[in-house]
Amino acid sequence: NAGVTQTPKFRVLKTGQSMTLLCAQDMNHEYMYWYRQDPGMGLRLIHYSVGEGTTAKGEVPDGYNVSRLKKQNFLLGLESAAPSQTSVYFCASSYSNRLQGYEQYFGPGTRLTVT
Amino acid sequence: GQQVMQIPQYQHVQEGEDFTTYCNSSTTLSNIQWYKQRPGGHPVFLIQLVKSGEVKKQKRLTFQFGEAKKNSSLHITATQTTDVGTYFCAGGPGGGADGLTFGKGTHLIIQP
Repeated sequence: NAGVTQTPKFRVLKTGQSMTLLCAQDMNHEYMYWYRQDPGMGLRLIHYSVGEGTTAKGEVPDGYNVSRLKKQNFLLGLESAAPSQTSVYFCASSYSNRLQGYEQYFGPGTRLTVT
Repeated sequence: GQQVMQIPQYQHVQEGEDFTTYCNSSTTLSNIQWYKQRPGGHPVFLIQLVKSGEVKKQKRLTFQFGEAKKNSSLHITATQTTDVGTYFCAGGPGGGADGLTFGKGTHLIIQP
Protein backbone atom coordinates (compact mmCIF):
# COMPACT_ATOMS: atom_id res chain seq x y z
CA ASN A 1 0.00 0.00 0.00
CA ALA A 2 1.21 3.48 -0.86
CA GLY A 3 -0.67 5.04 2.08
CA VAL A 4 -1.30 8.76 1.53
CA THR A 5 0.22 10.37 -1.55
CA GLN A 6 0.26 14.02 -2.56
CA THR A 7 0.93 15.71 -5.87
CA PRO A 8 2.77 17.84 -6.68
CA LYS A 9 5.67 17.79 -4.20
CA PHE A 10 6.76 21.33 -5.01
CA ARG A 11 5.16 24.25 -6.81
CA VAL A 12 5.88 27.92 -7.37
CA LEU A 13 2.95 30.17 -8.24
CA LYS A 14 2.62 33.82 -9.05
CA THR A 15 0.12 35.92 -7.15
CA GLY A 16 -3.34 35.47 -8.64
CA GLN A 17 -2.69 32.11 -10.25
CA SER A 18 -4.78 29.08 -9.38
CA MET A 19 -3.88 25.48 -8.69
CA THR A 20 -5.19 22.22 -7.27
CA LEU A 21 -3.38 19.97 -4.85
CA LEU A 22 -4.30 16.31 -5.04
CA CYS A 23 -4.36 13.89 -2.14
CA ALA A 24 -4.99 10.18 -2.58
CA GLN A 25 -5.21 7.37 -0.03
CA ASP A 26 -5.49 3.65 -0.62
CA MET A 27 -6.46 2.62 2.93
CA ASN A 28 -10.23 3.00 2.44
CA HIS A 29 -10.31 5.69 5.13
CA GLU A 30 -13.53 7.63 5.62
CA TYR A 31 -11.94 10.81 6.96
CA MET A 32 -9.56 13.12 5.15
CA TYR A 33 -7.96 16.43 6.09
CA TRP A 34 -5.91 19.29 4.73
CA TYR A 35 -3.47 21.09 7.03
CA ARG A 36 -0.95 23.82 6.43
CA GLN A 37 2.31 24.13 8.32
CA ASP A 38 4.11 27.43 8.72
CA PRO A 39 7.31 28.03 10.70
CA GLY A 40 6.54 28.39 14.39
CA MET A 41 2.82 27.79 13.86
CA GLY A 42 2.45 24.04 14.02
CA LEU A 43 -0.19 22.49 11.80
CA ARG A 44 -3.50 24.22 11.21
CA LEU A 45 -6.60 22.57 9.79
CA ILE A 46 -7.88 24.07 6.53
CA HIS A 47 -10.78 21.80 5.55
CA TYR A 48 -11.81 18.27 6.26
CA SER A 49 -14.17 15.58 5.02
CA VAL A 50 -15.98 12.89 6.97
CA GLY A 51 -17.02 10.97 3.88
CA GLU A 52 -17.40 10.97 0.14
CA GLY A 53 -19.32 14.02 -1.06
CA THR A 54 -19.03 15.92 2.24
CA THR A 55 -16.65 18.69 3.27
CA ALA A 56 -16.40 21.13 6.16
CA LYS A 57 -14.34 24.16 7.15
CA GLY A 58 -11.51 23.96 9.59
CA GLU A 59 -9.59 26.63 11.44
CA VAL A 60 -8.17 28.53 8.43
CA PRO A 61 -10.43 27.92 5.39
CA ASP A 62 -10.33 31.36 3.72
CA GLY A 63 -8.87 31.34 0.21
CA TYR A 64 -9.23 27.58 -0.21
CA ASN A 65 -11.86 25.24 -1.59
CA VAL A 66 -12.04 21.46 -1.42
CA SER A 67 -13.85 18.57 -3.04
CA ARG A 68 -14.26 14.91 -2.16
CA LEU A 69 -15.94 13.35 -5.20
CA LYS A 70 -14.34 9.95 -4.60
CA LYS A 71 -13.64 8.36 -1.25
CA GLN A 72 -9.95 7.95 -1.97
CA ASN A 73 -9.29 11.50 -3.20
CA PHE A 74 -9.38 14.90 -1.51
CA LEU A 75 -8.59 17.96 -3.59
CA LEU A 76 -7.50 21.35 -2.28
CA GLY A 77 -7.93 24.32 -4.59
CA LEU A 78 -6.47 27.80 -4.50
CA GLU A 79 -8.50 30.04 -6.81
CA SER A 80 -6.31 33.13 -6.59
CA ALA A 81 -3.03 32.47 -4.82
CA ALA A 82 -1.60 35.03 -2.41
CA PRO A 83 1.89 35.24 -0.83
CA SER A 84 0.27 34.48 2.56
CA GLN A 85 -0.53 31.01 1.20
CA THR A 86 3.15 30.15 0.94
CA SER A 87 3.36 27.10 3.16
CA VAL A 88 3.79 23.35 3.35
CA TYR A 89 0.49 21.57 2.84
CA PHE A 90 -0.15 18.19 4.39
CA CYS A 91 -3.00 15.86 3.63
CA ALA A 92 -4.03 13.24 6.17
CA SER A 93 -6.56 10.47 6.44
CA SER A 94 -8.04 8.49 9.30
CA TYR A 95 -10.55 5.78 10.04
CA SER A 96 -13.35 5.51 12.52
CA ASN A 97 -12.32 3.94 15.80
CA ARG A 98 -14.64 5.11 18.54
CA LEU A 99 -12.62 3.48 21.29
CA GLN A 100 -9.22 4.76 20.25
CA GLY A 101 -10.00 8.01 18.46
CA TYR A 102 -8.88 8.95 14.98
CA GLU A 103 -5.16 8.31 14.38
CA GLN A 104 -4.10 10.34 11.36
CA TYR A 105 -1.88 9.16 8.53
CA PHE A 106 -0.06 11.98 6.78
CA GLY A 107 1.15 12.35 3.23
CA PRO A 108 4.66 13.61 2.39
CA GLY A 109 3.52 17.21 1.89
CA THR A 110 3.47 19.82 -0.88
CA ARG A 111 5.78 22.80 -0.59
CA LEU A 112 4.07 25.79 -2.20
CA THR A 113 5.67 29.17 -2.78
CA VAL A 114 3.62 32.13 -4.00
CA THR A 115 5.63 35.05 -5.34
CA GLY B 1 -11.90 27.97 19.79
CA GLN B 2 -9.81 25.26 21.31
CA GLN B 3 -6.15 26.08 21.93
CA VAL B 4 -3.33 23.64 22.52
CA MET B 5 -0.16 25.04 24.04
CA GLN B 6 3.13 23.23 24.13
CA ILE B 7 6.36 24.01 25.94
CA PRO B 8 9.22 24.39 25.51
CA GLN B 9 9.46 25.49 21.90
CA TYR B 10 13.09 24.32 21.65
CA GLN B 11 15.09 21.94 23.80
CA HIS B 12 18.81 21.34 23.44
CA VAL B 13 20.14 18.28 25.21
CA GLN B 14 23.34 16.30 25.26
CA GLU B 15 23.00 12.79 23.92
CA GLY B 16 22.05 10.54 26.81
CA GLU B 17 20.17 13.22 28.74
CA ASP B 18 16.43 13.05 29.34
CA PHE B 19 13.85 15.22 27.56
CA THR B 20 10.31 16.27 28.46
CA THR B 21 7.71 18.27 26.55
CA TYR B 22 4.45 19.49 28.06
CA CYS B 23 1.08 20.06 26.46
CA ASN B 24 -1.94 21.98 27.78
CA SER B 25 -5.37 22.32 26.23
CA SER B 26 -7.83 25.15 26.88
CA THR B 27 -10.66 22.59 26.86
CA THR B 28 -11.18 19.04 28.06
CA LEU B 29 -10.10 16.51 25.45
CA SER B 30 -11.70 13.18 24.59
CA ASN B 31 -8.23 11.94 23.75
CA ILE B 32 -4.78 13.31 22.99
CA GLN B 33 -2.43 12.20 20.27
CA TRP B 34 1.32 12.63 19.89
CA TYR B 35 3.20 12.91 16.61
CA LYS B 36 6.85 13.12 15.64
CA GLN B 37 8.13 14.99 12.61
CA ARG B 38 11.70 14.52 11.45
CA PRO B 39 13.38 17.49 9.71
CA GLY B 40 11.99 17.71 6.17
CA GLY B 41 9.47 14.96 6.84
CA HIS B 42 5.83 14.58 7.65
CA PRO B 43 4.15 14.01 11.04
CA VAL B 44 4.09 10.39 12.12
CA PHE B 45 1.67 9.12 14.74
CA LEU B 46 3.28 7.94 17.97
CA ILE B 47 0.49 7.22 20.40
CA GLN B 48 -3.01 8.03 21.57
CA LEU B 49 -4.12 8.49 25.19
CA VAL B 50 -7.79 8.17 26.04
CA LYS B 51 -8.31 7.64 29.76
CA SER B 52 -7.89 10.16 32.55
CA GLY B 53 -4.51 9.65 34.26
CA GLU B 54 -3.36 7.19 31.61
CA VAL B 55 0.34 6.38 31.29
CA LYS B 56 1.76 4.54 28.30
CA LYS B 57 5.31 3.54 27.49
CA GLN B 58 7.05 2.85 24.22
CA LYS B 59 10.61 1.75 24.95
CA ARG B 60 12.33 4.97 26.15
CA LEU B 61 9.22 7.14 25.64
CA THR B 62 6.66 7.68 28.40
CA PHE B 63 3.37 9.45 27.72
CA GLN B 64 0.98 10.75 30.37
CA PHE B 65 -2.56 12.12 30.19
CA GLY B 66 -3.66 14.35 33.03
CA GLU B 67 -6.46 13.56 35.44
CA ALA B 68 -8.58 16.41 34.09
CA LYS B 69 -7.83 15.38 30.49
CA LYS B 70 -6.51 18.85 29.70
CA ASN B 71 -2.78 18.25 29.85
CA SER B 72 -0.25 15.70 28.74
CA SER B 73 3.48 15.09 28.67
CA LEU B 74 6.04 13.12 26.72
CA HIS B 75 9.25 12.07 28.43
CA ILE B 76 12.21 10.51 26.62
CA THR B 77 14.83 8.75 28.72
CA ALA B 78 18.47 8.75 27.61
CA THR B 79 18.03 10.54 24.31
CA GLN B 80 19.67 9.24 21.15
CA THR B 81 20.46 11.04 17.90
CA THR B 82 17.54 9.20 16.29
CA ASP B 83 15.19 11.13 18.61
CA VAL B 84 15.92 14.40 16.81
CA GLY B 85 12.79 16.06 15.44
CA THR B 86 9.72 18.01 16.44
CA TYR B 87 7.18 16.47 18.79
CA PHE B 88 3.58 17.60 18.54
CA CYS B 89 0.61 16.99 20.75
CA ALA B 90 -2.84 17.25 19.21
CA GLY B 91 -6.43 16.99 20.30
CA GLY B 92 -9.94 17.54 19.10
CA PRO B 93 -13.36 17.71 20.73
CA GLY B 94 -14.54 14.76 18.66
CA GLY B 95 -11.40 12.74 19.22
CA GLY B 96 -10.06 13.85 15.85
CA ALA B 97 -12.93 12.95 13.52
CA ASP B 98 -13.38 16.60 12.61
CA GLY B 99 -9.66 17.29 12.60
CA LEU B 100 -7.06 17.97 15.23
CA THR B 101 -5.78 21.11 16.89
CA PHE B 102 -2.01 20.83 17.10
CA GLY B 103 0.35 22.42 19.54
CA LYS B 104 3.19 24.37 17.99
CA GLY B 105 5.57 21.55 18.78
CA THR B 106 8.82 21.12 20.68
CA HIS B 107 11.97 20.95 18.59
CA LEU B 108 14.41 18.47 20.12
CA ILE B 109 18.03 19.18 19.25
CA ILE B 110 20.62 16.67 20.40
CA GLN B 111 24.29 17.47 20.73
CA PRO B 112 26.54 14.42 20.52
